[in-house]
Amino acid sequence: KNEVEQSPQNLTAQEGEFITINCSYSVGISALHWLQQHPGGGIVSLFMLSSGKKKHGRLIATINIQEKHSSLHITASHPRDSAVYICAVNLVDDMRFGAGTRLTVKP
Amino acid sequence: EPEVTQTPSHQVTQMGQEVILRCVPISNHLYFYWYRQILGQKVEFLVSFYNNEISEKSEIFDDQFSVERPDGSNFTLKIRSTKLEDSAMYFCASSRLQGAVSGYTFGSGTRLTVV
Repeated sequence: KNEVEQSPQNLTAQEGEFITINCSYSVGISALHWLQQHPGGGIVSLFMLSSGKKKHGRLIATINIQEKHSSLHITASHPRDSAVYICAVNLVDDMRFGAGTRLTVKP
Repeated sequence: EPEVTQTPSHQVTQMGQEVILRCVPISNHLYFYWYRQILGQKVEFLVSFYNNEISEKSEIFDDQFSVERPDGSNFTLKIRSTKLEDSAMYFCASSRLQGAVSGYTFGSGTRLTVV
């Protein structure tokens, strides 16, 4: 069983739609990360969470430690949001990664 | 904004050759990491490094791999006798404090192609 599961694997949306990407994990963690991987391969760290909710611009990330679940929301999606979004969890000095959610936002 | 810099961005090497991938972490960061992503697969943790020694390594990080901080700024990953299956994108990351407390900053990656 994968320690980090993301859903959906692929997501296509129309510009302006509200998007939710989910992440569930099965291990005890100290923090959870949401990462964005661009088509060229580069990785950008969006959020690091250990509890509650964080917001940055149109992006919102939430985590429920008891339920071992996190969500990434994108409001008013735009074609430039098209990327792979990766959930990753911290295990002390180690990180485990989800397989990613490929988001395509169409104009 | 401070960046983690990786060089080269793309390297092609013959099977059996040694390669060194270079990273310049953010200057006040103390923890350093290498990850790899084989094309079409998940990102995988390789190794973490703190205080001039390896603090954690995965099963992938066998005797073929080594890391070094040769001076105050560079953090290198050496792969001895490369194999075809070492072809992947290799990412370096750094953090100021141990991962749970501060965020990570990733480099843009080195795409290694072994032919």
